[in-house]
Amino acid sequence: GQSLEQPSEVTAVEGAIVQINCTYQTSGFYGLSWYQQHDGGAPTFLSYNALDGLEETGRFSSFLSRSDSYGYLLLQELQMKDSASYFCAGETGANNLFFGTGTRLTVIP
Amino acid sequence: DAGVTQSPTHLIKTRGQQVTLRCSPISGHKSVSWYQQVLGQGPQFIFQYYEKEERGRGNFPDRFSARQFPNYSSELNVNALLLGDSALYLCASSLQREVVDEQFFGPGTRLTVL
Repeated sequence: GQSLEQPSEVTAVEGAIVQINCTYQTSGFYGLSWYQQHDGGAPTFLSYNALDGLEETGRFSSFLSRSDSYGYLLLQELQMKDSASYFCAGETGANNLFFGTGTRLTVIP
Repeated sequence: DAGVTQSPTHLIKTRGQQVTLRCSPISGHKSVSWYQQVLGQGPQFIFQYYEKEERGRGNFPDRFSARQFPNYSSELNVNALLLGDSALYLCASSLQREVVDEQFFGPGTRLTVL
């Protein structure tokens, strides 16, 4: 089967660092993407890991380990505007993008 | 440049009816994907079209169909609507064929089935 599991909720303090994990069970896996979605808004692309290792884009970093079927999104210097839902997504083959269960991040002062 | 646009913004239908949702991709993007998002869940992949051909299909019944036009805009059709079809329908466009490529999402169409 195909599944990407994430913690449902995470709370962190403004200025801190938070890590959102994504574990997956799928076949024919082609890489891991991350999307941010504010309430009432559309998902926006954050990053993509095609290979194992760390990808850094500004305050956001994403990591993938295929051998562990695991990835994470790291958000540094948290800001109040980072409060949103975060989704990992993987392509399972046949051009089918499968989204995770989503993590709701709340940043508190 | 204009982003992905979708119409209508909101739609109310009754069970058994049919609905057509429309999407215009970012200029130059040849790939359009459709997703269904139920409140509190992640988007679920319905279709991907690239160069007017279906390249990917998610686990949805045959009541769902789509097409892409020569100008790369797309329509999603849903027949025999069920209450469970109530959701936000998102369209996303991208430059490349691969769905893992950066996808640019439109604001969505909120469909309510009564």
